[in-house]
Amino acid sequence: GQSLEQPSEVTAVEGAIVQINCTYQTSGFYGLSWYQQHDGGAPTFLSYNGLDGLEETGRFSSFLSRSDSYGYLLLQELQMKDSASYFCAVRDGHSGGGADGLTFGKGTHLIIQP
Amino acid sequence: DVKVTQSSRYLVKRTGEKVFLECVQDMDHENMFWYRQDPGLGLRLIYFSYDVKMKEKGDIPEGYSVSREKKERFSLILESASTNQTSMYLCASNTRGRGSPLHFGNGTRLTVT
Repeated sequence: GQSLEQPSEVTAVEGAIVQINCTYQTSGFYGLSWYQQHDGGAPTFLSYNGLDGLEETGRFSSFLSRSDSYGYLLLQELQMKDSASYFCAVRDGHSGGGADGLTFGKGTHLIIQP
Repeated sequence: DVKVTQSSRYLVKRTGEKVFLECVQDMDHENMFWYRQDPGLGLRLIYFSYDVKMKEKGDIPEGYSVSREKKERFSLILESASTNQTSMYLCASNTRGRGSPLHFGNGTRLTVT
């Protein structure tokens, strides 16, 4: 089976930097993804790490260490609009015809304070 | 932009009813997925499909079935709705490839009374 662990809630201050960690246990591993979901909205894709290292996209960066089964999402210059839930997800053993079902963590609720 | 459209935003059904949740995507994606989302449990995969008429079980398929008769449409069926199926249901699609992002619909909040 697959399991992912991430903190349930993180609080940070506007303008600061915050890191959301994710550890995983999977029988197969094909990459770690991050999604953002605002209250009442649909999850939206933020980043994907297939190999070890750091991927940067604007204010957001994501890191993966396959040997440690660990990754994190780094958000810089926090803005109030970054208040949302963040989910890490792995591609796992559900596979058919080239489709891989993603297994999601339970999500981290990020609270930004002014 | 990819658009994934779920037919209903809110749905209220009675226990024992047969329920159809419809999802349509307009980007010719091969893969389509159904998830349910519950507070504190995150998103859990129910079923997915990688081609027309093909389907694969996810983590929690019990009590559900799916249908994919056309590439753009993926239906989730609750054969006999139960109160523990009250949830937010999210449809998603993507192209083949391990880095391919999922594109989600806005969800259907189903209440079974």
